[in-house]
This record gives sequence, C-alpha cells and structure tokens, in this order.
Amino acid sequence: AQSVSQHNHHVILSEAASLELGCNYSYGGTVNLFWYVQYPGQHLQLLLKYFSGDPLVKGIKGFEAEFIKSKFSFNLRKPSVQWSDTAEYFCAVNPGGSGGSYIPTFGRGTSLIVHP
Amino acid sequence: GAGVSQSPRYKVAKRGQDVALRCDPISGHVSLFWYQQALGQGPEFLTYFQNEAQLDKSGLPSDRFFAERPEGSVSTLKIQRTQQEDSAVYLCASSPQGLNTEAFFGQGTRLTVV
Repeated sequence: AQSVSQHNHHVILSEAASLELGCNYSYGGTVNLFWYVQYPGQHLQLLLKYFSGDPLVKGIKGFEAEFIKSKFSFNLRKPSVQWSDTAEYFCAVNPGGSGGSYIPTFGRGTSLIVHP
Repeated sequence: GAGVSQSPRYKVAKRGQDVALRCDPISGHVSLFWYQQALGQGPEFLTYFQNEAQLDKSGLPSDRFFAERPEGSVSTLKIQRTQQEDSAVYLCASSPQGLNTEAFFGQGTRLTVV
C-alpha cells in the first residue's frame, strides 16, 4: 500500500518569506499527486494537482509544486507567503493509470502559520 | 448547493450510542469516499463507493462501522456502540467518473464520544 510522508508538521513564517513543504510517497507505479489546503473553519480544497506532463505544476494563489520521480517527491513551494496562507496543507497520492482503485492516500498534514 | 454536504456538522454521543452520519455528494459524481481525521492527523481512508457498489471497505476500523449508498447518491456512515476512540472528524468526498480527477470534500462531521 502507498504511504505519504510530510516531514514538516508545523511551520511558522513571516509574511514575504519563501515556503517549501516536503512530501514524499512510497509507491512504485504511476501516481497522481495532489496538494490540498484547509483554511481555518473550512473544508479541504484542492490547491494543485499533477497527473502527467510538465513536472512543475502551478496552482492557485501563487503556489507551485515539482514532481521529482527519482526522489518520489512532490514538494510545495511559494516564493512569498501572505498572512492569508495560514492553513493546514495536505499532500495526497493515488495510483494513476488504468484499472484498480484510485483511493487518495493523505499525509498527516503541515500546519502553516504566517505572521503579519 | 453545488458542493458536498455533510450532516450533522457536530455530533456528541454517549459511549455505547449508535450514530448515523450523512453525506450528500455533488450531483452526478460516481465515486464517494469516507475518511476519518483524528486531531492533528491527515484524513485516513475508511471506505469507497462507485455508484451504489461498495468497492473497498478495508479502512473501516471495526465491524461497528458500516456504510451504505443504496441509490448511488446519498451515503450514510453508521457507527454502532460508539467508543471514545471513535471521536474524530468524519469527512466525505466525491469525484466524477474517471481516474484523473480530484476529490471534492465536505466540511465534515465532528463526532465527540463522551
């Protein structure tokens, strides 16, 4: 079974600082990769996703993530964070390709606090 | 509404009580997932439906947990004889037919067993 590791559980930054959140997964086949965000009091929503093609994907609100297949990683980045980026961030993986189930597996999440 | 709707938003149950949690997925979405999210953790998979068929229930923690989706739309997660360790947020998500799609989540039901 696949697993997802998010190594940074709590991150505290000042506004305008750069952000990188790590995500590593264990699955040998084709994968679909996601980052979800959960703002305080709100539901999980998609930030960005990778299915195939350009390994550098851009999402909403200036976020981007890079898929590095050789490292089984899909790290999330933002050059300059804002106070409104304070939220929980979850990396998720599900097997791609045809056949089988495609149940997203989530990491335990990273809590990001941005100080104004 | 256009999103996934879950009810109730909050539920307090006495230990030993049965509870039922409801999920209304986005209309037309074929796949439906239930997750359990403990405090400080990521969502943990419970069960998955494709239309009315429950294709995977490997994540259900015990036989006290039961889920159904009889008409392929609304789903109910039932927990019998609740215990304190069942306290968590229960998330429902739905997605359209196909592999290359993301899941859309509801706001969850926060269950507290006292």
